Amino acid sequence: DAGITQSPRHKVTETGTPVTLRCHQTENHRYMYWYRQDPGHGLRLIHYSYGVKDTDKGEVSDGYSVSRSKTEDFLLTLESATSSQTSVYFCAISGPGLYGYTFGSGTRLTVV
Amino acid sequence: QKEVEQDPGPLSVPEGAIVSLNCTYSNSAFQYFMWYRQYSRKGPELLMYTYSSGNKEDGRFTAQVDKSSKYISLFIRDSQPSDSATYLCAMIPRLNSGGYQKVTFGIGTKLQVIP
Repeated sequence: DAGITQSPRHKVTETGTPVTLRCHQTENHRYMYWYRQDPGHGLRLIHYSYGVKDTDKGEVSDGYSVSRSKTEDFLLTLESATSSQTSVYFCAISGPGLYGYTFGSGTRLTVV
Repeated sequence: QKEVEQDPGPLSVPEGAIVSLNCTYSNSAFQYFMWYRQYSRKGPELLMYTYSSGNKEDGRFTAQVDKSSKYISLFIRDSQPSDSATYLCAMIPRLNSGGYQKVTFGIGTKLQVIP
């Protein structure tokens, strides 16, 4: 996944704990997105960013917050993790004139 | 009703078969259509994209769009075990010159090509 990396790749956490996932890009793209992917639901948009400190909600934003202090970094925080947030989380970027997204490799999060 | 409908499969075919993957959609505003391939435990990667109606061919892959029927297809000729993956259709109403894209995805079809 040239140009976009996610960390950690795997995470197991306990219910009620805060969790932060990181997305880092080297493409200098303005737009960054956080998705979750679940069986039966596919990819669902959580939050997206259209610039430093500029973010907006997606369709499944409850329980999640994001921050973007630098162009290259987009953080997703679960303030108090719940079992329903067990999922695979993907970061994506998009650029001018390009079709669709470039995705990261994903973070597999398990909340126990 | 979802904006984009895609059969999740799984679809199992023998090596060398022609595979047909399909999506239907309800929003007539969609003009740009994409197919992503996602290997197990990996992120989706853009496989093909087309604009409006018609066919587009890339090696063993052909993407087809029929806007009048709101139906898109991906054909894989001479399928290989390495084609085993989940294929997601995706679509957008327009290309934003600034780069923002609100992509609507299908749920994905899991394909297995048996050697």
